[in-house]
Amino acid sequence: NAGVMQNPRHLVRRRGQEARLRCSPMKGHSHVYWYRQLPEEGLKFMVYLQKENIIDESGMPKERFSAEFPKEGPSILRIQQVVRGDSAAYFCASKQGAVNEQFFGPGTRLTVL
Amino acid sequence: RKEVEQDPGPFNVPEGATVAFNCTYSNSASQSFFWYRQDCRKEPKLLMSVYSSGNEDGRFTAQLNRASQYISLLIRDSKLSDSATYLCVVKYAGGTSYGKLTFGQGTILTVHP
Repeated sequence: NAGVMQNPRHLVRRRGQEARLRCSPMKGHSHVYWYRQLPEEGLKFMVYLQKENIIDESGMPKERFSAEFPKEGPSILRIQQVVRGDSAAYFCASKQGAVNEQFFGPGTRLTVL
Repeated sequence: RKEVEQDPGPFNVPEGATVAFNCTYSNSASQSFFWYRQDCRKEPKLLMSVYSSGNEDGRFTAQLNRASQYISLLIRDSKLSDSATYLCVVKYAGGTSYGKLTFGQGTILTVHP
């Protein structure tokens, strides 16, 4: 019974490149949340998705960031034209329906050179 | 003012000590409260939910004071393995909250022999 999977675990990009982060929720979970943790800071909500729908993207920067959760396959967080300030740990969490608890994946650590 | 505030510490305590962490939240519409634990460079993991009546799980006791908008975590008989960052987490009620979690910046605990 696999937990939440994220890949890659570590990603290095140069400024201006694109970063694609993938999240496979736990089996049976149709709700996905993305959070970002900047160095020395707490986690900050970015976006909440259900299958094929973005429900709340209030925490996501308006430019360069996008997210999707297609009918088939993992949820993708995409960052275009990365800048040094994007360097952070990106965690996704999934949950099942109205159940309270979110289960976190191991995170993707993005480093922008 | 941050939505969820914690004393960042660090707290350095000997094995066997009792240590208490405090947290305040600013939004009175907050619905659910949690303590998460995050080990270095790992994902956050749910330690315990916090209920108005107070609740205990082994050596851990959590308290909630809605009137003061204050949450606490008490750890008794500290173990070396308790060394981690403890995150105070709040989930808001309301139609646009969608279950997203709001994290404090974390309190660092180091238990030494």
